[in-house]
Amino acid sequence: KQEVTQIPAALSVPEGENLVLNCSFTDSAIYNLQWFRQDPGKGLTSLLLIQSSQREQTSGRLNASLDKSSGRSTLYIAASQPGDSATYLCAVGSGYSTLTFGKGTMLLVSP
Amino acid sequence: KAGVTQTPRYLIKTRGQQVTLSCSPISGHRSVSWYQQTPGQGLQFLFEYFSETQRNKGNFPGRFSGRQFSNSRSEMNVSTLELGDSALYLCASNPGGSYEQYFGPGTRLTVT
Repeated sequence: KQEVTQIPAALSVPEGENLVLNCSFTDSAIYNLQWFRQDPGKGLTSLLLIQSSQREQTSGRLNASLDKSSGRSTLYIAASQPGDSATYLCAVGSGYSTLTFGKGTMLLVSP
Repeated sequence: KAGVTQTPRYLIKTRGQQVTLSCSPISGHRSVSWYQQTPGQGLQFLFEYFSETQRNKGNFPGRFSGRQFSNSRSEMNVSTLELGDSALYLCASNPGGSYEQYFGPGTRLTVT
């Protein structure tokens, strides 16, 4: 059974800092890995999707890497802003539509 | 294109009752997945429907069921509600042949 762990569970940083969120998974037989953002009480917004054959994806200030063999992914956020405050969820895809989620990292960026 | 819509957004039910939640996927998307989110367990996969057929199922009791209509809209039903069913229920749609999931805003169910 796939298990996904995210570290740290919570993170508080001042505006402008670069930061790294970590995700690990137990079964390397994955189709893809996705990072989502969730604002309080809201649905999920897809940030980055890395297919199993890829090593990284970038979108603006976000960069996600994937190391399947070691079961790890990192989400790098450059020059953090207060608007980045949210919960960040890592999800591993074992098929087209089945995702196993971590518990998330709650990020607070203070001005 | 309009995003994924879920109705109702909030719902309060009593233990023992049943509830039906609705999800309308993005136009053209044929796959709809349902997830339950609770503070203790996080996000857990319930089931996925593709072209009116259940394609995958998570580890939930039979009280949780769903269906998909010919227009790809999906409903999930929970019978004999328990306090532990209180959660945010999220649905996601996928065009099929792609890994990208598009999530709706969720239905917040409170069981009293």
